[in-house]
Amino acid sequence: GDSVIQMQGQVTLSENDFLFINCTYSTTGYPTLFWYVQYSGEGPQLLLQVTTANNKGSSRGFEATYDKGTTSFHLQKTSVQEIDSAVYYCAMRDDTNAYKVIFGKGTHLHVLP
Amino acid sequence: DAGVTQTPRHEVAEKGQTIILKCEPVSGHNDLFWYRQTKIQGLELLSYFRSKSLMEDGGAFKDRFKAEMLNSSFSTLKIQPTEPKDSAVYLCASSSDRLYAEQFFGPGTRLTVL
Repeated sequence: GDSVIQMQGQVTLSENDFLFINCTYSTTGYPTLFWYVQYSGEGPQLLLQVTTANNKGSSRGFEATYDKGTTSFHLQKTSVQEIDSAVYYCAMRDDTNAYKVIFGKGTHLHVLP
Repeated sequence: DAGVTQTPRHEVAEKGQTIILKCEPVSGHNDLFWYRQTKIQGLELLSYFRSKSLMEDGGAFKDRFKAEMLNSSFSTLKIQPTEPKDSAVYLCASSSDRLYAEQFFGPGTRLTVL
């Protein structure tokens, strides 16, 4: 069945470090891929969204690239700040079951000042 | 525009009690979702409504969890009877019915069952 895999449960960086979070997915359909961010005490909110048509998305200094060949969808940021500390979820919707969002387990990013 | 609102923000229940969590979706959204969030399992879908009709009832959560949508602007999630393993954050989300639409989440209700 459809799945989304985030292997990194926790990442600790210092300010101005490079961030790279790995996400892979599996589907028989045509996916749209999302990164959601959840700050402490809040619900998740959309960070960025990428379709198979455009392959890349960016928002607030974050960038995600979709690679159909490796079925991966990574999130990166050149220089993280303490305010980026949050949980990041990779998620997928596909055309076979478009209402359903499949979330990865989440990556807890902790940025040290 | 008001986002998704959830009440209460925190709930403490004794084992065996009945609790009801409430959600108001974004005005005009036709899709409403209930999720359970834990550190181990992440986000698990409990229920999904489209235009007030229940489309998915969460499989393994069916026996003690019941979500209802009484009108387009209000939904409840009842847990009866509660068990300690139900301790989690319960999130409500809504979206338009446009294909691949973004989900908007509420702040969640943190439930603790003693």
